[in-house]
Amino acid sequence: QSVLTQPPSVSAAPGQKVTISCSGSSSNIGNNYVSWYQQLPGTAPKLLIYENNKRPSGIPDRFSGSKSGTSATLGITGLQTGDEADYYCGTWDSSLSASVVFGGGTKLTVL
Amino acid sequence: QVQLQESGPGLVKPSETLSLTCTVSGGSISSYYWSWIRQPPGKGLEWIGYIYYSGSTNYNPSLKSRVTISVDTSKNQFSLKLSSVTAADTAVYYCARLRITMVRGVIITVFDYWGQGTLVTVSS
Repeated sequence: QSVLTQPPSVSAAPGQKVTISCSGSSSNIGNNYVSWYQQLPGTAPKLLIYENNKRPSGIPDRFSGSKSGTSATLGITGLQTGDEADYYCGTWDSSLSASVVFGGGTKLTVL
Repeated sequence: QVQLQESGPGLVKPSETLSLTCTVSGGSISSYYWSWIRQPPGKGLEWIGYIYYSGSTNYNPSLKSRVTISVDTSKNQFSLKLSSVTAADTAVYYCARLRITMVRGVIITVFDYWGQGTLVTVSS
């Protein structure tokens, strides 16, 4: 059971837009910044979004991030078959555990 | 460009200690946090812990009693030891650079560089 809750899967057609949610609490998303990671099949995760909505160099602007209250959202527009991957949100949890936490991951299928 | 490479045995017997090393190249290990993350087959990411280059550590509470992370700045390496392993510890283990900053009481954590991962199987 992950501290952050993501839908197990989402799907959309090429060219369409999809959103992936990440739900937490006041001890994590509500009071800290969120990052998103993309894991293509058989590879290591890669940083996609940091500080809620910033993109590292080289990440196309088709990828966007937002946060509201205790939830965060990853948006992908102009879907491509190469976007098929698992996506994870992550943040700091400021509760007694004081640790890094991840969502359970969402598998994106581009139909 | 910073690169990380995990190394260590791919097979560990139950009840023994899993040991992995991460070698950092293309940059200094100093002034950053370094972390271990694992992923059981077909499952999600689990943060194991991190170490600052000076040696201070923080571990996942669920693994804290079995985990030790250490750093060797002279070799630009950091290491993971996980004791008393069981089949549940079978996973791909990743090392990663972790940026941690605090801005007005809000904590920012970013894993910006990752190793390729190494599969460790726990089996007799």
